[in-house]
Amino acid sequence: KAGVTQTPRYLIKTRGQQVTLSCSPISGHRSVSWYQQTPGQGLQFLFEYFSETQRNKGNFPGRFSGRQFSNSRSEMNVSTLELGDSALYLCASSPDPGLYGEQYFGPGTRLTVT
Amino acid sequence: DQQVKQNSPSLSVQEGRISILNCDYTNSMFDYFLWYKKYPAEGPTFLISISSIKDKNEDGRFTVFLNKSAKHLSLHIVPSQPGDSAVYFCAASEEYGNKLVFGAGTILRVKS
Repeated sequence: KAGVTQTPRYLIKTRGQQVTLSCSPISGHRSVSWYQQTPGQGLQFLFEYFSETQRNKGNFPGRFSGRQFSNSRSEMNVSTLELGDSALYLCASSPDPGLYGEQYFGPGTRLTVT
Repeated sequence: DQQVKQNSPSLSVQEGRISILNCDYTNSMFDYFLWYKKYPAEGPTFLISISSIKDKNEDGRFTVFLNKSAKHLSLHIVPSQPGDSAVYFCAASEEYGNKLVFGAGTILRVKS
């Protein structure tokens, strides 16, 4: 099976712009979660989607949003970018959101905000 | 408020010896604990997990120990190999859902 794919891998944006990141989960996986990794804060949970519905949300401002499509692919959007949004954004998929367990991570999208 | 803490930013071990990575947590609702390994430019890779009903889980060279009363878990790697050099993250979750809370990570360097 192909792994989790994320596009684009690298992105440079300017403060105030908005950005959309894409994630394709492993085939058959229905849950997609997003994480932000920064040197100062480590890996932090953004949100989780299952069946096109947001199931869990982390402590991030409303500028961070996401959605999931019927084929389980997911996108996250960050509006009005700030310098502090520069980070590695990781997507993870798992087969079943009702069971805690292993999530399979993609390689991430490196976002740089200038 | 850091609910999962990895107090050692880095660890250096000789090849063939044991590597012990530690993790503490504060949230008593955590029911499941996982270790992930991360190489540069890659996403984290699942390594091993343990449920709160157990105190030990083994998978080859990797063993995770859980001490619920102390809210402490550790990952033992025996014997350590140079390819084990990576960042190791401890993570925890409550009973339902995939919201993982991660520690800050420990950089393991295995010297040959």
